[in-house]
Amino acid sequence: DVKVTQSSRYLVKRTGEKVFLECVQDMDHENMFWYRQDPGLGLRLIYFSYDVKMKEKGDIPEGYSVSREKKERFSLILESASTNQTSMYLCASRDGVDYGYTFGSGTRLTVV
Amino acid sequence: RKEVEQDPGPFNVPEGATVAFNCTYSNSASQSFFWYRQDCRKEPKLLMSVYSSGNEDGRFTAQLNRASQYISLLIRDSKLSDSATYLCVVIPYSSASKIIFGSGTRLSIRP
Repeated sequence: DVKVTQSSRYLVKRTGEKVFLECVQDMDHENMFWYRQDPGLGLRLIYFSYDVKMKEKGDIPEGYSVSREKKERFSLILESASTNQTSMYLCASRDGVDYGYTFGSGTRLTVV
Repeated sequence: RKEVEQDPGPFNVPEGATVAFNCTYSNSASQSFFWYRQDCRKEPKLLMSVYSSGNEDGRFTAQLNRASQYISLLIRDSKLSDSATYLCVVIPYSSASKIIFGSGTRLSIRP
């Protein structure tokens, strides 16, 4: 089974802090994604990457950046955390277009 | 109109009942379809793919209707453990790297 591991289940950060969320997958998938999930809004795509050092903006990239230096690792960076970035963050990877995602267990981030 | 729409529910049904819900999509050129299950405060997990000819996995049956642009999920003999939110997922041809999620249908099975 593909395993997607997110480094933290729960995080509390202060407004203005730089926050790093790490995601690692172990199945050599090319495509990796970062979503946030909020009640009533569903899953919203922040960024995705289809190869090492390649990235594309999703629907809500503002306030975020990403890094993909190695195929297995996709990092989400909150440059200056704000309270409206309090959310559940989900990383996912996928093998090809005909396959669904495998999600990590999520990071619940609270910005105070 | 949203690209993928689901009735948010909640659907509240007794144990043992059969329940079905649909998901409509707007892009007729959509390529692949899936149902995911998400438990409270957990990540979504793949439940099943949806094939053009329809497919079954135990008590779960998924169907695709391309003409009317919807997919469906039928759960027979529902169990308490089926209580969850069910998300439909659509992958469009135009953007193979992007997956579109419905906002989910909440199902609650009562004893």
